[in-house]
Amino acid sequence: DAGVIQSPRHEVTEMGQEVTLRCKPISGHDYLFWYRQTMMRGLELLIYFNNNVPIDDSGMPEDRFSAKMPNASFSTLKIQPSEPRDSAVYFCASSWDGIEKLFFGSGTQLSVL
Amino acid sequence: SQQGEEDPQALSIQEGENATMNCSYKTSINNLQWYRQNSGRGLVHLILIRSNEREKHSGRLRVTLDTSKKSSSLLITASRAADTASYFCASGGSNYKLTFGKGTLLTVNP
Repeated sequence: DAGVIQSPRHEVTEMGQEVTLRCKPISGHDYLFWYRQTMMRGLELLIYFNNNVPIDDSGMPEDRFSAKMPNASFSTLKIQPSEPRDSAVYFCASSWDGIEKLFFGSGTQLSVL
Repeated sequence: SQQGEEDPQALSIQEGENATMNCSYKTSINNLQWYRQNSGRGLVHLILIRSNEREKHSGRLRVTLDTSKKSSSLLITASRAADTASYFCASGGSNYKLTFGKGTLLTVNP
C-alpha cells in the first residue's frame, strides 16, 4: 500500500483565494482525520470522519474552512477565502479503528501571502 | 490548547547514549501514544500504551505510563544518528480524539 497520499505537497497562494487540499486514505481505513501543524499551536485536530460521515468538526477554526469525504478513498479540505494566518502544514491521517494508530500523509505546506 | 506537553523541548545527545523524553497530560485517557516526525515529513506511529498498562517495550523503545501523575516517558536506548527527529506524545480519550503535545526535538550527534 502506498500509504496516505496528500496533494499538493506545497501550495502558495494569495490572500482571498480558494485553496483545496486533497487526501487519499489507506484502503480499508474507516477513519480519516485532518490536522493542522504550526510552530505556535502544534498539531490541532480540525475534523474527523468515520465511514465518510463527519463526526466532529469542532476544531474547524471558522466557516471559511470546510471538509468533505464523498467516498471512502477521497477527502478534501477547502479554505475560502484564505488568509495569511492559515499558513501551516495540513496533515491527513487515517486509521482502521479510531485513534489507536494513525497513519499520516506527508502533509501539504500551505503559504498564504 | 494542547493537552500533552513534552519535556524537554529539545535534547541533544551523542550516538550510543540513551534519550529520555517525558510527557504530561491533563484528562483521563484510554491510551497514550508516541509518534516520530522527521523534518518535512508526516508523523509515524511508534508505540501505544493502554491506561491499564505501566510499561511497554518495542525494540529499543521503552514507554512508561503513570496515570496517577498523568505522565509518560519514552526511552530510546543506544541512540543512532537516524533517531534524529521530533517526538510527540498523543493522548487518546473516549471521544475518538487524539491530542498531541508540541514535541521534543531530539538530535543525535554522530
